[in-house]
This record gives sequence, C-alpha cells and structure tokens, in this order.
Amino acid sequence: GEDVEQSLFLSVREGDSSVINCTYTDSSSTYLYWYKQEPGAGLQLLTYIFSNMDMKQDQRLTVLLNKKDKHLSLRIADTQTGDSAIYFCAGPAGNMLTFGGGTRLMVKP
Amino acid sequence: DGGITQSPKYLFRKEGQNVTLSCEQNLNHDAMYWYRQDPGQGLRLIYYSQIVNDFQKGDIAEGYSVSREKKESFPLTVTSAQKNPTAFYLCASSMGQNPYEQYFGPGTRLTVT
Repeated sequence: GEDVEQSLFLSVREGDSSVINCTYTDSSSTYLYWYKQEPGAGLQLLTYIFSNMDMKQDQRLTVLLNKKDKHLSLRIADTQTGDSAIYFCAGPAGNMLTFGGGTRLMVKP
Repeated sequence: DGGITQSPKYLFRKEGQNVTLSCEQNLNHDAMYWYRQDPGQGLRLIYYSQIVNDFQKGDIAEGYSVSREKKESFPLTVTSAQKNPTAFYLCASSMGQNPYEQYFGPGTRLTVT
C-alpha cells in the first residue's frame, strides 16, 4: 500500500469537533506533520509531532499519535467555516517526506 | 520576510510549447522540491534537489526538466513531451535532505490548450 494514507472526505457542522485520520508505514523516529491547503493555495504547515510523543495540543488543534498502530490523527475543536480545506498528513518514507492523499474537510454552517 | 515565491500564479500555453515555472526561496534551505497536483488529488513528486548542481527524479519526472544553479532557485520546465501538463504545480523547500518539514510556495496553475 501507500506509505501514508488518509480518508478522502469529512463533513461536520460548525461548532462540532473534526477528527482527520492518517496511517503510515515507516516507523523511523522522526517528525510527523499536518498541513492545510485552502483552494488555489499552497500547503501551510499547521502542526507537527515527534514520534516519541503521544499527544500534542496547540490551541484548537490536537494531534494524537499511536505508534503501535502507526496511526496519526488531527482533532480540530469548535470547527469553523474557515477550517474548510484539504488537510494533508506527511511522514517519512526513507529519507524523504511523503504526503497522504489529503482529506477534504467541509464545514456546514 | 523569508519565504518561497512562485511565478506566475496563472500560466497559459499552447500545446507543443515548453514553459518554465519559477521558484525562488530566501530561507537558506538546501533542499527544494517540485510537486504536481491534479484536481481532487494529492501531491506527486516530480523532481527534487538536495544541494546546488544536483537533482533527482521523483515519481513522475517524464516530460519535465529542472536545474539548480543557485541555492535560491529551482526552475521547472514543462516540455512538450509531457502528455497532460495542465495541473497545479507546487514548489517547496526544506532545511536538509532528511524528512524535515517542507515549506510551500503559493503554486502556479498551468493550463495548456
């Protein structure tokens, strides 16, 4: 399979929490990243977690890492319409950073 | 302000013409990358360069060429040999060759008719 995999689509109501999931295959000790892409724009680095951590919180964002299952998730609390975008997780594949296919988050008012 | 610039934002070309996309960074990063993104798709790596005067093919290098004569610049040429060149092209840079975080430019949307 792919080195980094994500579900394609997530729809939530404004004010709810969003959870975007990602699985990866490379178990190197390194950083794992979440990026956000708004329409017609480049990717913006949102947050990251080092592989020796289980959780990292940054304002409305919480990253959870399950190393045993090689599962990474991004939780967005109190999701707003401005959070509508494509979210990419990125992790190691050898000595390169590889990106998942992206999860499109749609926030309904 | 440090960052990555890509120009132009939109580019239109006729089929059969080569076109060069610009990417410049002032982050003093050693590594630079070119990705292609098709509608509703993820990123596919075209070429990358870990140091000046050296570059490697990515997953979809056919029909593309690059140069890395300066640390700050990594232009991508889309040649007439590329069968489906219409896409959104993203340039990125990172501190080193390990999987460090990559910083992205705003992208160039190329339309070939």
